[in-house]
Amino acid sequence: ETGVTQSPTHLIKTRGQQVTLRCSSQSGHNTVSWYQQALGQGPQFIFQYYREEENGRGNFPPRFSGLQFPNYSSELNVNALELDDSALYLCASRDATQALEVAFFGQGTRLTVV
Amino acid sequence: SQQGEEDPQALSIQEGENATMNCSYKTSINNLQWYRQNSGRGLVHLILIRSNEREKHSGRLRVTLDTSKKSSSLLITASRAADTASYFCATGITGTASKLTFGTGTRLQVTL
Repeated sequence: ETGVTQSPTHLIKTRGQQVTLRCSSQSGHNTVSWYQQALGQGPQFIFQYYREEENGRGNFPPRFSGLQFPNYSSELNVNALELDDSALYLCASRDATQALEVAFFGQGTRLTVV
Repeated sequence: SQQGEEDPQALSIQEGENATMNCSYKTSINNLQWYRQNSGRGLVHLILIRSNEREKHSGRLRVTLDTSKKSSSLLITASRAADTASYFCATGITGTASKLTFGTGTRLQVTL
């Protein structure tokens, strides 16, 4: 079990609403990444934060946004939810300054948009 | 978009048998990693192989990498029912801005 925790574990939202997902990184990790995993697919990279700055983004629209806090915890915000946003959202942390490529994942948040 | 594909998409074997999964990718990489996912929950890192390595072992796991063919394979020997899970390969580029690009996954079922 990793030291990465995500909340909530499950969430149901209505189309058009906004949602905030939270992630607490493993101690000592300064980089957090968010991934979206649709049912039956592999995780897709949304974006990454390194020392509170976004330093990488995947092919996701601007309504997907994020924050990283000084304690390296993170939030993923999704505005104007669409049915296709229903997925498992995974947070992963690592220590980029140590050039450690291995990512430690949380258990994910299952978002259902109805 | 996915980096590549895994083959097979699903694999069913009996306990004690070996399981082999293959992964293909599209772009240059610094490393390739294999992750395991139980029942749609978080991913757990299994093994990492760097682009200048050809083979790596960890317990019952053996990974090979062929950069000329842009492919990798994961072998699980003497499988157990507890190995039942989805397995994903992920390619990465070293650096602070690196990200993981995952394949489509292989669903492994190990029966008693």
